[in-house]
Amino acid sequence: GAVVSQHPSRVICKSGTSVKIECRSLDFQATTMFWYRQFPKQSLMLMATSNEGSKATYEQGVEKDKFLINHASLTLSTLTVTSAHPEDSSFYICSAGPVNPNTGELFFGEGSRLTVL
Amino acid sequence: DQQVKQNSPSLSVQEGRISILNCDYTNSMFDYFLWYKKYPAEGPTFLISISSIKDKNEDGRFTVFLNKSAKHLSLHIVPSQPGDSAVYFCAASGGINDYKLSFGAGTTVTVRA
Repeated sequence: GAVVSQHPSRVICKSGTSVKIECRSLDFQATTMFWYRQFPKQSLMLMATSNEGSKATYEQGVEKDKFLINHASLTLSTLTVTSAHPEDSSFYICSAGPVNPNTGELFFGEGSRLTVL
Repeated sequence: DQQVKQNSPSLSVQEGRISILNCDYTNSMFDYFLWYKKYPAEGPTFLISISSIKDKNEDGRFTVFLNKSAKHLSLHIVPSQPGDSAVYFCAASGGINDYKLSFGAGTTVTVRA
C-alpha cells in the first residue's frame, strides 16, 4: 500500500508556543489529506479536510485559527497548533487520499504525540 | 453526532477461538465500511473493508459481514491469535466522492493464550 509519513512522532512544548506537524505522502500524490486527533482511549475525531491548493474545511467545533492547516503541494500537508495549551495535548494523525478504489481505504501516518506543558 | 458506533469497549477471547466485533451506523449514505487495527501511539492499519453492495467479504482469517437493513456490520477473526490483541476501529465513508472516514469508538481485543 501507499506510505504516509508524519514528523515529528513526539513533541513536547511549552504552553503558549506553536508546534508544526508535517504529513507527507511518500509514493503517491495526495490530493486530499485529513487530520484526526485522538484522546486516550477514545475514537479518532476528524478535525479538518485539506485539499491541495485550497483552504481546509474544518469540522464543527474545531478552531481554524488555532489549528492552521496548509496543503501547498500534492505530497505535503502541515498542521500548526498555535498558542498551544495543555488541553491541546493529544495524538494527531493524518491520512491521505485518493482512496484505494477497490477497498475504500485511506492511508494513515504513524501519528504525532503532542504534549503541552 | 456519532454516526458510527461500537458499543463494546472490550472483548477477551481465548487463542484459537473466534472474535466477533460489532459495529452499527446511522448514515444510510455510507458506501464503504472498513475495519482498522491500531496499537497505542501508532497510526491505524487497514484490515478489511466491504462496499455497500456486498454483504460479505473475506480475507484470510478476517471476514466482514454487512447487514444494510439493520445498519450493522461485524468483523469475525478466526482463529484468534495473540498478535491480534489491539484496538479495532470500525469506520465508514461515503465512497469515492466523499471518502473521509467516520470512526467508531473502538473495541479493545485481548487474546488469551
